[in-house]
Amino acid sequence: DTEVTQTPKHLVMGMTNKKSLKCEQHMGHRAMYWYKQKAKKPPELMFVYSYEKLSINESVPSRFSPECPNSSLLNLHLHALQPEDSALYLCASSQVGPHRGSEKLFFGSGTQLSVL
Amino acid sequence: DAKTTQPTSMDCAEGRAANLPCNHSTISGNEYVYWYRQIHSQGPQYIIHGLKNNETNEMASLIITEDRKSSTLILPHATLRDTAVYYCIVRVGTGGFKTIFGAGTRLFVKA
Repeated sequence: DTEVTQTPKHLVMGMTNKKSLKCEQHMGHRAMYWYKQKAKKPPELMFVYSYEKLSINESVPSRFSPECPNSSLLNLHLHALQPEDSALYLCASSQVGPHRGSEKLFFGSGTQLSVL
Repeated sequence: DAKTTQPTSMDCAEGRAANLPCNHSTISGNEYVYWYRQIHSQGPQYIIHGLKNNETNEMASLIITEDRKSSTLILPHATLRDTAVYYCIVRVGTGGFKTIFGAGTRLFVKA
C-alpha cells in the first residue's frame, strides 16, 4: 500500500465553523506533513511531524491546529478561518532516517477547502 | 536549502524527449537534487533524485553537471499524460524535513 488517503476531498465551511481534515497512511512512515497550495502556486509547507511530535511549524496562524494521534494518522483542525485560507490542503508522508532516498515524499490528492 | 531556478514553461512534442533544466548554483555538498511533478488537481508525485551521479529509473533520467550547479530531468518519450508542473528541489538528504517547492516548470506535451 503506497497511498496517502485524505478526507474529505472537498469541504465548504463558514468563518465561524470548526472542521477537521484527515490524512492516513499505512506505509510505516514516521514523518507526516501538511502543505497548503493556492491556485497556480507551488505547495507551501505548513507543519511537519516526526515520530508523532511536531518538528516544524512554518509560522502558521493558530486557527490551524495540527494533531498526530498515532503514526498512521494526521489531522488538521480548522477554526475561525478566513476566505483567504481557501486552498488545496495536501498531506504527505516519508520515511525518517539516514537511508538514501528515505525522504522522498508521498502525497495524497488533497482536500479542496472553500471558506465562505 | 539551496534555491533553484527553472523556466516557467516548456513545450514538447509527443514521443520526443523532454529535457527540463534546473539551476542550483548555491547547492551544498550534502544536498540532493529531487524532482517531483504535479498533474492538475492531484498531489505532487516523486520522480527521481540524485547527489552527484546521473540516475535513471522507470520514469526518467537525471543528469547532474560535474560542478553540481545545474541538472536536467529527461523524460525519454513524452506522452500527453506527462503534461504537468515539474518541480526541482534541493535539500539535505538525511534528517532534513523541509521540502520547499519553487515555482516549477509547466510542461505542455502536444500531439
